[in-house]
Amino acid sequence: GEDVEQSLFLSVREGDSSVINCTYTDSSSTYLYWYKQEPGAGLQLLTYIFSNMDMKQDQRLTVLLNKKDKHLSLRIADTQTGDSAIYFCAEIYGGSQGNLIFGKGTKLSVKP
Amino acid sequence: NAGVTQTPKFQVLKTGQSMTLQCAQDMNHEYMSWYRQDPGMGLRLIHYSVGAGITDQGEVPNGYNVSRSTTEDFPLRLLSAAPSQTSVYFCASSFSQGAYGYTFGSGTRLTVV
Repeated sequence: GEDVEQSLFLSVREGDSSVINCTYTDSSSTYLYWYKQEPGAGLQLLTYIFSNMDMKQDQRLTVLLNKKDKHLSLRIADTQTGDSAIYFCAEIYGGSQGNLIFGKGTKLSVKP
Repeated sequence: NAGVTQTPKFQVLKTGQSMTLQCAQDMNHEYMSWYRQDPGMGLRLIHYSVGAGITDQGEVPNGYNVSRSTTEDFPLRLLSAAPSQTSVYFCASSFSQGAYGYTFGSGTRLTVV
């Protein structure tokens, strides 16, 4: 089956940039997403990118897609303590029937 | 407020009991799905629906039933609860095959004792 892999933990200092990485295995991915989950809460869509794009920027967020290496990254500029959360990479690919396939999530800790 | 509404937020069941987790959306989304979230496992798809009257199994469907009689509602039924079904359950909906992302409910935290 399709696999979406993420590192489990990332720790940064407030004001630094954070980069969260994700790899996927199916080359038929059509849409790729980043979701944020704060403790005890649901999932909030942060941003998404279509497979025919290489980059998308949205305020402090930059998404980079390398289709050759099947690698997706999320960069958060000027990271704040309020960015502490779990970040999920997710994709929709040809065989997923329009359903999201998630990575296990990266827990971002921001130290003051 | 537009969005996905899940009830209840918390539930404790005894082994063998049955119950229904409710999910409703008011965005006229065709796609709806149920996920469970377990520590270290991410989110796994239980069942999904691509429109009223159409449902299908996801990755972990055993022990759960769904139906989709209206566009708005997509309830998840636990037939005979087991401790392995202790989890946080999320309902999600999307306009069209997930394009532009899914909107998630706030979740139901279920404990089976």
